[in-house]
Amino acid sequence: KAGVTQTPRYLIKTRGQQVTLSCSPISGHRSVSWYQQTPGQGLQFLFEYFSETQRNKGNFPGRFSGRQFSNSRSEMNVSTLELGDSALYLCASSLGQDADTQYFGPGTRLTVL
Amino acid sequence: AQTVTQSQPEMSVQEAETVTLSCTYDTSESDYYLFWYKQPPSRQMILVIRQEAYKQQNATENRFSVNFQKAAKSFSLKISDSQLGDAAMYFCAYRTAYTGTASKLTFGTGTRLQVTL
Repeated sequence: KAGVTQTPRYLIKTRGQQVTLSCSPISGHRSVSWYQQTPGQGLQFLFEYFSETQRNKGNFPGRFSGRQFSNSRSEMNVSTLELGDSALYLCASSLGQDADTQYFGPGTRLTVL
Repeated sequence: AQTVTQSQPEMSVQEAETVTLSCTYDTSESDYYLFWYKQPPSRQMILVIRQEAYKQQNATENRFSVNFQKAAKSFSLKISDSQLGDAAMYFCAYRTAYTGTASKLTFGTGTRLQVTL
């Protein structure tokens, strides 16, 4: 069974632009969570989607948004990019049951210049 | 809010030796899950081991085992017979077992493990 895939793997943007990252979960998984990883703040939870609905949200500004499609694929969008948004963005999928383990993708490295 | 603390930023172990990584957490909940994830330099986060708080028996996965002390809120990872491929950043993570917020993982700051010949 294929793992979690994320595209693109690397992205370079300039301040003020917007960006969309994509995540395809493991087949059969209905829950997708997003995390931001930076050297200063570590791993922080962004949001989680289950059956096309946002089920949980972390403490991030409204510039960070996401959505999930009927095939469970998810996208996250960051608008009006700031230098501090430079990070590794990790996507994790799980079956969707509350007791589930999350499995991570390789991440998208976003650099904001 | 739950917090996870990893007090060892870096550890080193010789190949074939045993090393223990420490993790403590703070929670008022009685039912939860604890995880150790490994992130090699290639960045893919890999699940190493999972522990359910209601189970008293410590989880084991081949060369990896945990020492789960619920009363002390301690969850250490022991790696036996260390291999070069074990070199990575190791993250301890907490997840509540209660619905609603159950999906969120709270991570520690990580321990970088170096394996030497």
